[in-house]
Amino acid sequence: KAGVTQTPRYLIKTRGQQVTLSCSPISGHRSVSWYQQTPGQGLQFLFEYFSETQRNKGNFPGRFSGRQFSNSRSEMNVSTLELGDSALYLCASSLTGRGLYEQYFGPGTRLTVT
Amino acid sequence: GENVEQHPSTLSVQEGDSAVIKCTYSDSASNYFPWYKQELGKRPQLIIDIRSNVGEKKDQRIAVTLNKTAKHFSLHITETQPEDSAVYFCAANSGGSNYKLTFGKGTLLTVNP
Repeated sequence: KAGVTQTPRYLIKTRGQQVTLSCSPISGHRSVSWYQQTPGQGLQFLFEYFSETQRNKGNFPGRFSGRQFSNSRSEMNVSTLELGDSALYLCASSLTGRGLYEQYFGPGTRLTVT
Repeated sequence: GENVEQHPSTLSVQEGDSAVIKCTYSDSASNYFPWYKQELGKRPQLIIDIRSNVGEKKDQRIAVTLNKTAKHFSLHITETQPEDSAVYFCAANSGGSNYKLTFGKGTLLTVNP
């Protein structure tokens, strides 16, 4: 099976702009989680989607949002970008995402905000 | 919410030695504990996981132990090799109806040839 894919792999944006990142899960996986990875904070949970429903959300401002489509592909959006949003954004997919199943990560999207 | 503490933050060993990384968690309802290995510039890779109904799990040179009473779990790597050099992350799921993993801050393991 193909692994988790993310597009684009690299992005450079300016403060105040918005950005949309995409994640395609492993075939058959219905849960997609998003994480922000930075050197200082490590891996921080953003949100998780299952069957097009957000089931859980981390402690991030409302500028961070996401959605999931009927084919399980997911997007996350960050509006009004700030310098501190520069990070590696990782998505992970799992079969059901009930916290009891393995999560497999994509390669990430490296976002740089200038 | 869940809090996961990971120690040490850096670990340097000689090739062939063993390495141990320890994590503690706060949510007593957590019941799934995976470990990820992330090489420089690569995605985190699941290397082993353990569920709360077992105390130890082994896979070749790696093993994980879980002490639910003390709320800590550890990763053990034996006969380390230079290719084991990477950042290792522990994680714990949030119990109850939450569907998320909380990660430790990571341990940079360097295996010196």
